[in-house]
Amino acid sequence: DAGVIQSPRHEVTEMGQEVTLRCKPISGHDYLFWYRQTMMRGLELLIYFNNNVPIDDSGMPEDRFSAKMPNASFSTLKIQPSEPRDSAVYFCASSKNLGTGSYEQYFGPGTRLTVT
Amino acid sequence: QQQVKQSPQSLIVQKGGIPIINCAYENTAFDYFPWYQQFPGKGPALLIAIRPDVSEKKEGRFTISFNKSAKQFSLHIMDSQPGDSATYFCAATNAGNNRKLIWGLGTSLAVNP
Repeated sequence: DAGVIQSPRHEVTEMGQEVTLRCKPISGHDYLFWYRQTMMRGLELLIYFNNNVPIDDSGMPEDRFSAKMPNASFSTLKIQPSEPRDSAVYFCASSKNLGTGSYEQYFGPGTRLTVT
Repeated sequence: QQQVKQSPQSLIVQKGGIPIINCAYENTAFDYFPWYQQFPGKGPALLIAIRPDVSEKKEGRFTISFNKSAKQFSLHIMDSQPGDSATYFCAATNAGNNRKLIWGLGTSLAVNP
C-alpha cells in the first residue's frame, strides 16, 4: 500500500489567496483526520470524518477553514482567505475500524504551508 | 478532563542512556494510550500502545509503564541510539471518543553519539 498521500508537499502563497490541500487515505480506511502542527501549539486536530461524514469539526479555527470528503478516497482542506498565521504543517491521517479496539492512525508526509 | 500533559518538553541523553518521557491524564474513561514517534519532515507513526489492564508493555527497546491509580504513563527507551532522535508524542482515547486521540505536546529527544 502506498500509505496516506498528501499534495502538495509544499505550498507558498500570499495572504488573501485560497489554498487547497489534498489527501488520499489508505484504501479501506473509514476514518480520516486533518491535523495542523506548529511549534507553539503542537499537533492540533482540526476535523475528522467517518465514512465520509464529518464527525467533529470543533478544532477548525474559524470560518476561513473548510473540509470536504466527497468519497472514500479523497479529502480536501481549504483555507480562504489565507493569513500568515495559517503557516504550519498540515497532516492528513487515516484509520480503520478493526473492531479490536485499535485506534492506530496512519499519517501522511504532510503539507508545509507558508503564507507570506 | 480531556487534557494529556507531557513532560519534559525536550531531552538530551548520551548513547546508551535511558530517556524517560512522562504523560499524565485526567479522564479515567481513557482506555488506550499510544506513543507516536516523529522524525523531521515526516508524519508521526505509532511506536507502541498500551491498555490499562497491564502495567507494562515492551516492544524491542521501547517500554511503556502504566500507573492507573496515578493516571500516568511513561515511555522508556533502553540503550538509546542516535537514530532514536525524534519527537515523541503520547496520546489517549477511549471508545466514547470515537477514535479522537487527545495528544500531548510532544518531547524532542536528542541522543548524542
